[in-house]
Amino acid sequence: NAGVTQTPKFQVLKTGQSMTLQCAQDMNHEYMSWYRQDPGMGLRLIHYSVGAGITDQGEVPNGYNVSRSTTEDFPLRLLSAAPSQTSVYFCASTPDGGEGNTEAFFGQGTRLTVV
Amino acid sequence: AQSVAQPEDQVNVAEGNPLTVKCTYSVSGNPYLFWYVQYPNRGLQFLLKYITGDNLVKGSYGFEAEFNKSQTSFHLKKPSALVSDSALYFCAVRDMNRDDKIIFGKGTRLHILP
Repeated sequence: NAGVTQTPKFQVLKTGQSMTLQCAQDMNHEYMSWYRQDPGMGLRLIHYSVGAGITDQGEVPNGYNVSRSTTEDFPLRLLSAAPSQTSVYFCASTPDGGEGNTEAFFGQGTRLTVV
Repeated sequence: AQSVAQPEDQVNVAEGNPLTVKCTYSVSGNPYLFWYVQYPNRGLQFLLKYITGDNLVKGSYGFEAEFNKSQTSFHLKKPSALVSDSALYFCAVRDMNRDDKIIFGKGTRLHILP
């Protein structure tokens, strides 16, 4: 049982390049989310999904796309990288709240630098 | 929209003393509240949660938190701090009556002085 797996762990991009951050979970959770962590800003929600085929915007969605074709996978796409997207990105998987199971499980993060 | 406030960027406590990390929240429905801890260069680890019932909840590593509905607060506490408790702590809220997203506060850095 791997939990939440994020790849890659580190990435350096040039301004204007595109890339996809991968996230996979093996806990059969319906809810998945992407956050970015910046110093002094805490964790800010980028996009989230309440199930396969359903996505919605969070607090800071601009410059990012997501899709949820399967329950297991929730990739985050950077369309045209900008230095302001330099951050640590975390993917989270959350059960539906039944039987008191409500907390999110996090991946180990992807440290992205845009130069 | 739901929100979480952690009013202190940093809290300094002497080892052995009690510690409190403050959190207040705003949510339209019934809140599910959480505390997470992050050690340097690591992901987030779940500490404890409040769903319903007893206002004092206990979690990992001797931490506990008190839910106060009238003050919309969920402060994290520990009776006796350890140097190893030094880390970044996040409070979070989930609104189960709306869109189920989990919103985090900005974090509080806890520094335990030996």
